[in-house]
Amino acid sequence: AQTVTQSQPEMSVQEAETVTLSCTYDTSESNYYLFWYKQPPSRQMILVIRQEAYKQQNATENRFSVNFQKAAKSFSLKISDSQLGDTAMYFCAFMKQNSGNTPLVFGKGTRLSVIA
Amino acid sequence: GAVVSQHPSRVICKSGTSVKIECRSLDFQATTMFWYRQFPKQSLMLMATSNEGSKATYEQGVEKDKFLINHASLTLSTLTVTSAHPEDSSFYICSAAGARAVTEAFFGQGTRLTVV
Repeated sequence: AQTVTQSQPEMSVQEAETVTLSCTYDTSESNYYLFWYKQPPSRQMILVIRQEAYKQQNATENRFSVNFQKAAKSFSLKISDSQLGDTAMYFCAFMKQNSGNTPLVFGKGTRLSVIA
Repeated sequence: GAVVSQHPSRVICKSGTSVKIECRSLDFQATTMFWYRQFPKQSLMLMATSNEGSKATYEQGVEKDKFLINHASLTLSTLTVTSAHPEDSSFYICSAAGARAVTEAFFGQGTRLTVV
């Protein structure tokens, strides 16, 4: 079974600064996807960024980037130029790559507060 | 991204009654729907997986007779909480996956269930 660990229950960052959220995972699978989801107070799950395990290049989406270390099974999220709207719960998630659809396995989440 | 609509967003019911939650994929065929439960300040926990036209597969510890899942069409899955009790109060979220979404899951807006 896969597990996802987020060791930082809460973090805070000043507006315009950079913050990094940590995530490690454990799996015996070779092919999989990793995700970071944002859950604002509305509780809608919003995809922030996705990484395919077979790709060595780290994924980036505007101010969001990841540091994917496959051998270390580490998948951290860096948020640059933090904005007040980034305040939310952030969940790291794992999905096995399969011929059929497989569910996401989530970490416990990190509550990020961006301070003005 | 694909659109998944979940209804209702909030529901309050009396203890002992049943509540139905709908999850619809609006612009793609959802061959698989996943149902998650989220307690306050906690992560999403998978309850069950449903494939269109098949019986749902429940995770260990989830009572299939209490949480009835129907996935009769490629665009609609329903979760019925039967004989609800206060401990069933929670946030329920569906996600849908299909041929378009094998590398990503699309989430509904969630349903906050309060049993009084």
